[in-house]
Amino acid sequence: QKEVEQNSGPLSVPEGAIASLNCTYSDRGSQSFFWYRQYSGKSPELIMFIYSNGDKEDGRFTAQLNKASQYVSLLIRDSQPSDSATYLCAVTLNTGTASKLTFGTGTRLQVTL
Amino acid sequence: SAVISQKPSRDICQRGTSLTIQCQVDSQVTMMFWYRQQPGQSLTLIATANQGSEATYESGFVIDKFPISRPNLTFSTLTVSNMSPEDSSIYLCSVRLAGLVTQFFGPGTRLTVL
Repeated sequence: QKEVEQNSGPLSVPEGAIASLNCTYSDRGSQSFFWYRQYSGKSPELIMFIYSNGDKEDGRFTAQLNKASQYVSLLIRDSQPSDSATYLCAVTLNTGTASKLTFGTGTRLQVTL
Repeated sequence: SAVISQKPSRDICQRGTSLTIQCQVDSQVTMMFWYRQQPGQSLTLIATANQGSEATYESGFVIDKFPISRPNLTFSTLTVSNMSPEDSSIYLCSVRLAGLVTQFFGPGTRLTVL
């Protein structure tokens, strides 16, 4: 079982719609959860992070965490063509040593005109 | 956040040679990491670069193949040794700032091995 799982997509949404990106993780002791955006040919860029159950909003982005279900999601409201990218979910596992990020394989989002 | 630079940004190398990648950060950081991203894949952690001591390698990565140095808080190098075409990848430096859990990435080095 992969430690962090994402649907590879592509997820296609029309401009102005809500894009919903999902991520599940296997280690119940996971502490922190991150969403990165990666444009083709570029390095990952941090969008949001969340530690506590519930929702965290930042502009058009909302991260949702449900530790009981081991599930974290990213909602993008009013999707724009510039949001088209691969979105990587990352989790800090409880290793007992300096925390390390484990990445999912990413979901490719396409926002269509 | 931090401004992270990597050199070179890209290179094409012959098999059997070695390449050293440099990572420079504009602020003092607690942790520095090296990742590899193979074509169409996600990020795989190679090692954690420790200041003044040997790096901590992940399973599947060894010091002889990927020697790493970190002489101070803001600089690290990764060498890809005795390269083969399977080493063709993007190599990314990543840092975590003091007091923060968030992690930022450099622009990456795109390596092609012929």
